[in-house]
Amino acid sequence: EPEVTQTPSHQVTQMGQEVILRCVPISNHLYFYWYRQILGQKVEFLVSFYNNEISEKSEIFDDQFSVERPDGSNFTLKIRSTKLEDSAMYFCASRTQGEGTEAFFGQGTRLTVV
Amino acid sequence: AQSVTQLDSHVSVSEGTPVLLRCNYSSSYSPSLFWYVQHPNKGLQLLLKYTSAATLVKGINGFEAEFKKSETSFHLTKPSAHMSDAAEYFCVVSPQKRGGADGLTFGKGTHLIIQP
Repeated sequence: EPEVTQTPSHQVTQMGQEVILRCVPISNHLYFYWYRQILGQKVEFLVSFYNNEISEKSEIFDDQFSVERPDGSNFTLKIRSTKLEDSAMYFCASRTQGEGTEAFFGQGTRLTVV
Repeated sequence: AQSVTQLDSHVSVSEGTPVLLRCNYSSSYSPSLFWYVQHPNKGLQLLLKYTSAATLVKGINGFEAEFKKSETSFHLTKPSAHMSDAAEYFCVVSPQKRGGADGLTFGKGTHLIIQP
């Protein structure tokens, strides 16, 4: 069964460093998402990406964040200068075209900023 | 604008007894509604979805949910709980709008505990 894969599963970084979280969406999907879940809190939408551009982003997704689909298969989330409060589980998701279609989620990357 | 309220942060039931996880939503558009489950250290797995077809939706592992527009609810049920059902459950709403690369809105989650 096709699945969304994320790497690494766990990343520890020092405050102020840049991190790149990687995702390989399901191959025929057209919509890509990043969500995050701070420990003990709800899953929050960060950004959606379609047709090689950001289609929607939340207030959380400020200038520190960027997304890219560099080669037609990977979908990356970059955090330019990490803060302690960026520590969270980050989920990538993808979805095929069509209203009401469900999103398929990866297993997440746990980012710890120290 | 859309929002999701999961009325219980924790639900504890005995194995073999019914499960009820409650969810209320609000949406400016006719919504699609989903239930996802998250087992410890795992990703989010789709249990079932409602997309304006039948109001009673059957999902995997014996779960089902009923869409009630008048009550703006989409409660998740299962007749008989199993130990393997212990997990975090998320109710999710997505507006059905044209060309929607729309973000999903998650509830805060309900932690389901199964007592032996």
